[in-house]
Amino acid sequence: QSALTQPASVSGSLGQSITISCSGTSSDVGSYNFVSWYQQYPGKAPKLMIYEGTKRPSGVSNRFSGSKSGNTASLTISGLQAEDEADYYCCSYAGSSTFVVFGGGTKLTVL
Amino acid sequence: QVQLQESGPGLVEPSQTLSLTCTVSGGSISSGSFYWSWIRQPAGKGLEWIGRIYTSGSTNYNPSLKSRVTISVDTSKNQLSLNVNSVTAADTAVYYCARGPDRRDGFFLGSWGQGTLVTVSS
Repeated sequence: QSALTQPASVSGSLGQSITISCSGTSSDVGSYNFVSWYQQYPGKAPKLMIYEGTKRPSGVSNRFSGSKSGNTASLTISGLQAEDEADYYCCSYAGSSTFVVFGGGTKLTVL
Repeated sequence: QVQLQESGPGLVEPSQTLSLTCTVSGGSISSGSFYWSWIRQPAGKGLEWIGRIYTSGSTNYNPSLKSRVTISVDTSKNQLSLNVNSVTAADTAVYYCARGPDRRDGFFLGSWGQGTLVTVSS
């Protein structure tokens, strides 16, 4: 059982927007601005898409955005494209004992 | 751009020690101040952080694995290593190395290796 809770799957049509939630606690997501999001294609390594909750690394499309409210972080993908179909994982700093926690992952299907 | 490459045995017998190496290229592992992590992913499942090591050699581990895991760094070879002892089938996974995370620069895993599959079986 993962420390952070994500929906197992979400779907959206081409051009639409979707949001993936990542629910944590006051010991991780709620206490730190250190939530990151990763995109993973089958058989490939994860790729960083968002860090510090809202920041995009160079080269990541501005269709990807992050936010946080309380103990829940969210990843929004606007203008869905076929290439966005992948698994997405959230990750958070969880204090100096646990350090790193991941969500269970969300499979995005683009219809 | 730093690149990472995992290597090691693809098959380990139960109760034995799993040993993997991650070779870093495109930069010295000891230049700058970075953390380097190991992460694993069982087939069809999510990511699990195993632990990290700082350039100086200090380590932090996932509490659930801490008793069985050792991460080390060999700056002369530009490599970091992972040992997991007393393995069981539950340790079967793709193992990744990555740079980070560090609270000083946003706490993320920015560069990943391609991963290596380790199967625990007799």
